[in-house]
Amino acid sequence: DIVMTQSPDSLSLSLGERATINCKSSQSVLLSSKNKNYLAWYQQKPGQPPKLLISWASTREYGVPDRFSGSGSGTDFTLTISNLQAEDVAVYYCHQYYSTFFTFGPGTKVEIK
Amino acid sequence: QVQLQESGPGLVKPLDTLSLTCIVSGDSVSSDYWSWIRQAPGRGLEWLGFIYNSATTSYNPYLNRRVTISVDASKNHCSLNLSFVTAADTAVYYCARGEYNWNDWGQGVLVTVSS
Repeated sequence: DIVMTQSPDSLSLSLGERATINCKSSQSVLLSSKNKNYLAWYQQKPGQPPKLLISWASTREYGVPDRFSGSGSGTDFTLTISNLQAEDVAVYYCHQYYSTFFTFGPGTKVEIK
Repeated sequence: QVQLQESGPGLVKPLDTLSLTCIVSGDSVSSDYWSWIRQAPGRGLEWLGFIYNSATTSYNPYLNRRVTISVDASKNHCSLNLSFVTAADTAVYYCARGEYNWNDWGQGVLVTVSS
């Protein structure tokens, strides 16, 4: 199994600040033959299903604000929210789809200070 | 635009089978991937499995063969069955379109396992 960990567990920042969420996989999710990282980021607000923000580690989905960006490769990944807005309050999950047993990180809660 | 809506009983007795339906509109369940993901109260996300092209399936190996996903093309539904449920199966159950990188989700249905 590929185990996903995230840090920090929670984050409390002021409006306009930068949020950095880290995700680590227990083994590489980079498929070298395709040069693709099988890693996605989801945002989940209370009472709603998750929303796909970023796929392939760094490809922003259509309609996702450009203040959201993803980076990293292999086993270490980062979701950055620049210029934090009130509507960004949510739990963020990383997700690997490299192995046939898909797994998620435990989530990082982002709040406004 | 595809829409998904989960339906099923909100309360299931221990050791019974949990049966949910995902009603799909705007796409055919006979094509594409259809996945089920669940979330225990206050917890993270857990992938349960998917079905592709009405026949190919892949399941979470830790569910010990309790899970079955199928499609009914005549009703354009995707179904989830989870047998021998316990309190640990209490969760919001979501269906989603796609093998991964799920852009389309249902709103989810809360299923409580209790006698």
